[in-house]
Amino acid sequence: NAGVTQTPKFQVLKTGQSMTLQCAQDMNHNSMYWYRQDPGMGLRLIYYSASEGTTDKGEVPNGYNVSRLNKREFSLRLESAAPSQTSVYFCASAGLTGNTIYFGEGSWLTVV
Amino acid sequence: QKEVEQDPGPLSVPEGAIVSLNCTYSNSAFQYFMWYRQYSRKGPELLMYTYSSGNKEDGRFTAQVDKSSKYISLFIRDSQPSDSATYLCAMSLNSGGYQKVTFGTGTKLQVIP
Repeated sequence: NAGVTQTPKFQVLKTGQSMTLQCAQDMNHNSMYWYRQDPGMGLRLIYYSASEGTTDKGEVPNGYNVSRLNKREFSLRLESAAPSQTSVYFCASAGLTGNTIYFGEGSWLTVV
Repeated sequence: QKEVEQDPGPLSVPEGAIVSLNCTYSNSAFQYFMWYRQYSRKGPELLMYTYSSGNKEDGRFTAQVDKSSKYISLFIRDSQPSDSATYLCAMSLNSGGYQKVTFGTGTKLQVIP
């Protein structure tokens, strides 16, 4: 029962470095999401993909890019990391009925 | 004003107590209502979801939705120390072919043995 798998789990970056967070789901879901979670701010949507081949900005997209590689995989890229991007990142997916959303275990990112 | 409001707590109760967690919302277009449990350093885990007003029960957990008041609740009976976690409410609506989900900020619950 893999569900939603994201890597890496922990990463430390220097300001200005780039990196990609990987996400894959094995539930045949159409929609995939990237959220960040910060203390007192809750979960905020960065980008989402309603279906394979489409991506759209969420609430806080600045400084990020995404790629929906295929139906299973949705990656999040930080081109030039900034300390403000220190956060916990969650990938999630939802099926066509979309009434429930399933999360990965999270990726803890620190930018120094 | 946020679309979804949730008291952040923390809420501390003795083992065996009944816990009531609540959220209010402002968007009457929300169709589905969900509760997630999040343990420390883990991803949110879906506990329950419902799409209509009324109650839905699953073991010790009861989810209640009052659409007329724009208010949802999660009740935990006979609370256990293992229930200690942050509880997130979430609401969704269909927006252009995908489910737009809005989360509350979470209520931290501690159940004391």
